[in-house]
Amino acid sequence: AAGVIQSPRHLIKEKRETATLKCYPIPRHDTVYWYQQGPGQDPQFLISFYEKMQSDKGSIPDRFSAQQFSDYHSELNMSSLELGDSALYFCASSPGLAGYTFGSGTRLTVV
Amino acid sequence: SQQGEEDPQALSIQEGENATMNCSYKTSINNLQWYRQNSGRGLVHLILIRSNEREKHSGRLRVTLDTSKKSSSLLITASRAADTASYFCATLTQGGSEKLVFGKGTKLTVNP
Repeated sequence: AAGVIQSPRHLIKEKRETATLKCYPIPRHDTVYWYQQGPGQDPQFLISFYEKMQSDKGSIPDRFSAQQFSDYHSELNMSSLELGDSALYFCASSPGLAGYTFGSGTRLTVV
Repeated sequence: SQQGEEDPQALSIQEGENATMNCSYKTSINNLQWYRQNSGRGLVHLILIRSNEREKHSGRLRVTLDTSKKSSSLLITASRAADTASYFCATLTQGGSEKLVFGKGTKLTVNP
């Protein structure tokens, strides 16, 4: 069965650069979530989309933005990268209140 | 603010023993889920228990939920070295937006 696909798997960027992470949800899942997990930390909710509209926002810096496109894939854009942005970024999709499926994550390293 | 707090933060046991991890949360929930994460890898959904359920089993996993105490426990029976991972509880808040709030996780090490 198709899973949640995230790309790239690894990304290395320099400070002040911009990064774009992509997420392709499971077909027919209408909700996409983004989480950030710092080293040794628990995943923190960033933002979610339902039917291509932002549905909730967590502790997402103003330097970050995200959107969900007509094909339901989502992109997380991060600008003016800081060393502290180095983390695992997970995308998850869900058809409702249960059944979350997480992608394998994108490991972002800011140097 | 942190929703789920896990206890213990780290647990080391021998293969064949049982491992129990606890999670506490603060708000009313719709459901509580347990996830497993191998070091630096993706989150794998293990089991979901709804707010009106008290206990659930899946293979070697047993989850309990006590909504009066706002706590849950995950029991892994007959542990194996391959169970070594971090385990997180995550709650879906009742009446709120549909996002999971994760606890800090328990790092389980099963020694062969």
